[in-house]
Amino acid sequence: DTEVTQTPKHLVMGMTNKKSLKCEQHMGHRAMYWYKQKAKKPPELMFVYSYEKLSINESVPSRFSPECPNSSLLNLHLHALQPEDSALYLCASSQDNAGGGTDTQYFGPGTRLTVL
Amino acid sequence: QQQVKQSPQSLIVQKGGISIINCAYENTAFDYFPWYQQFPGKGPALLIAIRPDVSEKKEGRFTISFNKSAKQFSLHIMDSQPGDSATYFCAARATNKLIFGTGTLLAVQP
Repeated sequence: DTEVTQTPKHLVMGMTNKKSLKCEQHMGHRAMYWYKQKAKKPPELMFVYSYEKLSINESVPSRFSPECPNSSLLNLHLHALQPEDSALYLCASSQDNAGGGTDTQYFGPGTRLTVL
Repeated sequence: QQQVKQSPQSLIVQKGGISIINCAYENTAFDYFPWYQQFPGKGPALLIAIRPDVSEKKEGRFTISFNKSAKQFSLHIMDSQPGDSATYFCAARATNKLIFGTGTLLAVQP
């Protein structure tokens, strides 16, 4: 099973709202990722968690706050977003973050976020 | 040097034809090269991947050709079907990151 699940599928929020995106995997993967994808563009890496610790923050604004409660779950907390933050937010996981061998990332279906 | 260049940007192929998408890279530290298929409104799905010590990998109608000396790799879709119409991204792995190409929008006409 190579499934990564994400909730909600769609989210509409105002600029003053606080919301959270959730991601879950049961593949025993120890690395989890958040990406942002704009229309007709490749996914853009935001954060990487390796063994439940934040290992990469790609200079993401503080209005995005990631959290990894355990090895299967990844959250992205959203606060005071801007309309330009509207995008498809993708979660991915891989066996670990060290690379090597044939380890690669498996993506969830994404959350379509609209900021009004 | 972290870039992966992908071409063409879009591609129209007749049903039953061969679709070819090309990617090129500079960073010799890349050690794994996956291809992803993405349908509108969905997440990218891993399609096929290759290690740089292998020159070709085939899975069903999908084949990756890899030229290490030229730092190029390509995806071939044989007997293309309308259901293959999607955006395809090549990628290259550098330790803890995937570097994506810019994507190719494939349309297979019936």
